[in-house]
Amino acid sequence: DSGVTQTPKHLITATGQRVTLRCSPRSGDLSVYWYQQSLDQGLQFLIHYYNGEERAKGNILERFSAQQFPDLHSELNLSSLELGDSALYFCASSVGVTGGGTDTQYFGPGTRLTVL
Amino acid sequence: EDKVVQSPLSLVVHEGDTVTLNCSYEVTNFRSLLWYKQEKKAPTFLFMLTSSGIEKKSGRLSSILDKKELFSILNITATQTGDSAVYLCAEAGGTSYGKLTFGQGTILTVHP
Repeated sequence: DSGVTQTPKHLITATGQRVTLRCSPRSGDLSVYWYQQSLDQGLQFLIHYYNGEERAKGNILERFSAQQFPDLHSELNLSSLELGDSALYFCASSVGVTGGGTDTQYFGPGTRLTVL
Repeated sequence: EDKVVQSPLSLVVHEGDTVTLNCSYEVTNFRSLLWYKQEKKAPTFLFMLTSSGIEKKSGRLSSILDKKELFSILNITATQTGDSAVYLCAEAGGTSYGKLTFGQGTILTVHP
């Protein structure tokens, strides 16, 4: 158990809908990262927040957005869902801002999203 | 664009065998190379490598980085069925702090 929690574990929804995925980082960690894992694309970086501020963006679709709240938990919002958005969504956290440069990213258990 | 390539993509061995997993990378502004093990769900951290030639060990697992040739290897000795998993290599570099670029992973299957 990494100490990173994600809810819900599973989510089944229909195309065109909107969902919110939630992540609580490890105690003391200020950075939160979101990744998408699909069979054809592997693990892809989406976005990074540090202490409430967006620090880096990957190949995140415009239909997706995220935020990190003052208590450091983060939410990933996915809207106008398409079949291709079905994937495992991971949240990771680290102590500092470089997350990999000098400090390690620890992954949560993930949320499996199925879009029907 | 940063790129990480792992080989082989899959590997089947028997308990007691030794395996070597490979990871090569192309990155601007390299900071570190990380190995993760992914079983059913979350990737779990194994090693972070920043310096060339220094081996990191944890039990039967070890890893080393070659920054000149831009690759890393992960060795597992005396494999056990519990080592069956996907092993992911990732690099932290480029212009986006915090972004990890992952390879495709190596699927390791250890038979009794």
